Amino acid sequence: GNSVTQMEGPVTLSEEAFLTINCTYTATGYPSLFWYVQYPGEGLQLLLKATKADDKGSNKGFEATYRKETTSFHLEKGSVQVSDSAVYFCALSRGRSSGGSYIPTFGRGTSLIVHP
Amino acid sequence: GAGVSQSPSNKVTEKGKDVELRCDPISGHTALYWYRQRLGQGLEFLIYFQGNSAPDKSGLPSDRFSAERTGESVSTLTIQRTQQEDSAVYLCASSPVGATMNTEAFFGQGTRLTVV
Repeated sequence: GNSVTQMEGPVTLSEEAFLTINCTYTATGYPSLFWYVQYPGEGLQLLLKATKADDKGSNKGFEATYRKETTSFHLEKGSVQVSDSAVYFCALSRGRSSGGSYIPTFGRGTSLIVHP
Repeated sequence: GAGVSQSPSNKVTEKGKDVELRCDPISGHTALYWYRQRLGQGLEFLIYFQGNSAPDKSGLPSDRFSAERTGESVSTLTIQRTQQEDSAVYLCASSPVGATMNTEAFFGQGTRLTVV
């Protein structure tokens, strides 16, 4: 079945440091890949996505490239800010379930803590 | 409302009691999902609705769990005879008509359930 594996957190960085959060996936065929972010006290929201191999999703200074050869979708940011402190979830969506819809599969989430 | 709304935000219940969790999706969204997130774990799919029908209930962990949706709007997740292992954050998400594998899911803030 489909699965998503993320690096364990928390990831603790100083402001302006470089961020990488690793994500690898297992799926047959060609899923769409997503990063969601959950800020404290809020619901998950889409950060970025990529729908085919070699696509790069980007938003708010974050980037992730869909690497089919390594089945990865690592999240990167060149210079993090305190306001980036949140939990980040990698997810995939592929094919149709028995019920005929695309049900996203999520990783366990990685907490990012950025200190001033 | 503007987003997915869940209530209550927090619920503490005694072991053996029944609980009902409510989700109000974004108006017009036909797809609705319930997920569970236990401490330190990823989002675990529970059930998916398309309109008022639930074509995929494969994630419900036991027959103590049930869900319904009415008016292609509000959904209620019911847990009967709660157990301590039911303690988790229960998340609801919705997607619009015509969602594909590239379509994001829109999440509520979740209900934190604690069974004591």
